[in-house]
Amino acid sequence: DIVMTQSPDFLAVSLGERATINCKSSQSVLYSSNNKNYLAWYQQKPGQPPKLLIYWASTRESGVPDRFSGSGSGTDFTLTISSLQAEDVAVYYCQQYYTTPYAFGQGTKLEIK
Amino acid sequence: EVQLVESGGGLVQPGGSLRLSCAASGFTFSSYWMNWVRQAPGKGLEWVANIKQDGSEKYYVDSVKGRFTISRDNAKNSLYLQMNSLRAEDTAVYYCAREHSYGFVWGQGTLVTVSS
Repeated sequence: DIVMTQSPDFLAVSLGERATINCKSSQSVLYSSNNKNYLAWYQQKPGQPPKLLIYWASTRESGVPDRFSGSGSGTDFTLTISSLQAEDVAVYYCQQYYTTPYAFGQGTKLEIK
Repeated sequence: EVQLVESGGGLVQPGGSLRLSCAASGFTFSSYWMNWVRQAPGKGLEWVANIKQDGSEKYYVDSVKGRFTISRDNAKNSLYLQMNSLRAEDTAVYYCAREHSYGFVWGQGTLVTVSS
């Protein structure tokens, strides 16, 4: 089974500053037939379901602000928020949907410093 | 607009059973793999099971194998999760999620509490 590990568990960033969250998978999630990484990033606010931000490791979902970006390939991935806004306070999860059992990272709680 | 509405959660005693439902609308339900994902109180997300478009393939996380059964009725645009032999550690919000190569789209969830 693929294990997803995020770092850090907690992150405090000042408004307007950059926030960076890392995600590492225990095996590659790159699908060779289409050269896509089956890695997604979700944002979850209290009392709400997760919201898809990024899919294929770097493609922004429609309607997601362009301050959110994803990068990486194979086993190492990064979610970057270029200029933190107050509404970005949330828990962020990476997920591999390359093979079952699909796995999520443990989550990174992002707060304002 | 994609809508997924879960129902059927509640309080159940250890060893009991519960059947969750998910009503789908706003998309062609029969064209998508569908999933159940759960989240224990204050904890992270755990994928539970998924089912192929025609129901011919089903996969489960090890911790629910033999106890939970995922099914679907494409004529009713509905997804189900039959949960038997429930344990305290099954307590969670259960989300229905549509799967695509673009990732998951989620319902609002339904709370299952296993307690005596």
